[in-house]
Amino acid sequence: EAGVVQSPRYKIIEKKQPVAFWCNPISGHNTLYWYRQNLGQGPELLIRYENEEAVDDSQLPKDRFSAERLKGVDSTLKIQPAELGDSAVYLCASRTSGLYNEQFFGPGTRLTVL
Amino acid sequence: AQSVTQPDIHITVSEGASLELRCNYSYGATPYLFWYVQSPGQGLQLLLKYFSGDTLVQGIKGFEAEFKRSQSSFNLRKPSVHWSDAAEYFCAVGASIDMRFGAGTRLTVKP
Repeated sequence: EAGVVQSPRYKIIEKKQPVAFWCNPISGHNTLYWYRQNLGQGPELLIRYENEEAVDDSQLPKDRFSAERLKGVDSTLKIQPAELGDSAVYLCASRTSGLYNEQFFGPGTRLTVL
Repeated sequence: AQSVTQPDIHITVSEGASLELRCNYSYGATPYLFWYVQSPGQGLQLLLKYFSGDTLVQGIKGFEAEFKRSQSSFNLRKPSVHWSDAAEYFCAVGASIDMRFGAGTRLTVKP
């Protein structure tokens, strides 16, 4: 079974530029998460989707961040414009419904904003 | 509010020695607790989880963890560390649908 796929794995941009990250969850996983992991920290939730609906986006900085999951499968996270403080690893995770089901994580996209 | 504290930022152990990584949590109800491992450039992999029942939980790669409600702790242990165990370890609390992670403990293994 293929795991969670993310691309690109690395991205270097200059500040004020836009950037987008893509995630393909495990087949059949209806719940999808985007996390941000700063250096030396644990992951912090940005947004959670149940199918195509964003059910928890309280931690998403909506002035510059946006996300979509149009068909309830793949998802894209966008930053526009990027700031220096956005440098981090962006992780995608997915799971099936059910209280005890674990989250499966992708390898992440490491973003560097210069 | 739920939160997790991992008091040790970095731990170094010799290969073959025993290991204990500390995790303290704050949670308003019966907690669901998790330990994840993250190798460099990789995503997080679940080592073990606790929902209820036996307070000593066995996981993958020879790891175990013990839930102690009275101490609000969920420490991770391994009796004999291998060089391949060098990684970052994260404790997390909450329902699996919504977890809060600690800051992590980086494990270095000496030959």
